[in-house]
Amino acid sequence: DAGITQSPRHKVTETGTPVTLRCHQTENHRYMYWYRQDPGHGLRLIHYSYGVKDTDKGEVSDGYSVSRSKTEDFLLTLESATSSQTSVYFCAITGTPNRQETQYFGPGTRLLVL
Amino acid sequence: AQSVTQLGSHVSVSEGALVLLRCNYSSSVPPYLFWYVQYPNQGLQLLLKYTSAATLVKGINGFEAEFKKSETSFHLTKPSAHMSDAAEYFCAVSGDGGSQGNLIFGKGTKLSVKP
Repeated sequence: DAGITQSPRHKVTETGTPVTLRCHQTENHRYMYWYRQDPGHGLRLIHYSYGVKDTDKGEVSDGYSVSRSKTEDFLLTLESATSSQTSVYFCAITGTPNRQETQYFGPGTRLLVL
Repeated sequence: AQSVTQLGSHVSVSEGALVLLRCNYSSSVPPYLFWYVQYPNQGLQLLLKYTSAATLVKGINGFEAEFKKSETSFHLTKPSAHMSDAAEYFCAVSGDGGSQGNLIFGKGTKLSVKP
């Protein structure tokens, strides 16, 4: 298994509070991704990173920000959580941006916003 | 633009029966296609992928998929279902390269296996 951990694994928070999710990898991969998974929607890309301090938006980036100060860590922040951000969040990594490259996924973080 | 359609959000088969999970794609560039499996409360695990080397791709756990360009399909099959195959399956296509290697996923198909 790829060395990817996510923390916390479960979180319950209230509307309007800030939340930060962490993805940590031990593979020294350059590319990291945050997806959210919702029933009936599959997985959708929130943000991705192509190196330290290099990030860009994905399909559903509104309400989210990211940071990557070290190769191994990619943080996802909900500045002011809303109920629509209740979801399961997955981090993924890959070594290159080649289109045939496999992405490896972390175990996920289940977030409930009340 | 790329997209993936998985026909059937739920599929139920009996143990020992054929498993067929359908995936159709749309891609503006030559497609690279993936099947992932997700067991309850776990992350996604790669089953197999098509990278143009061969149209029939064999994966883990006895699964295989055939790329058919004329039908824009990449259906997943397994000759004989096992109880341990019960999971959710996602088909994905690579982005067009403008998004640095991201994947576009279908909505998933939940497979149930009856004893």
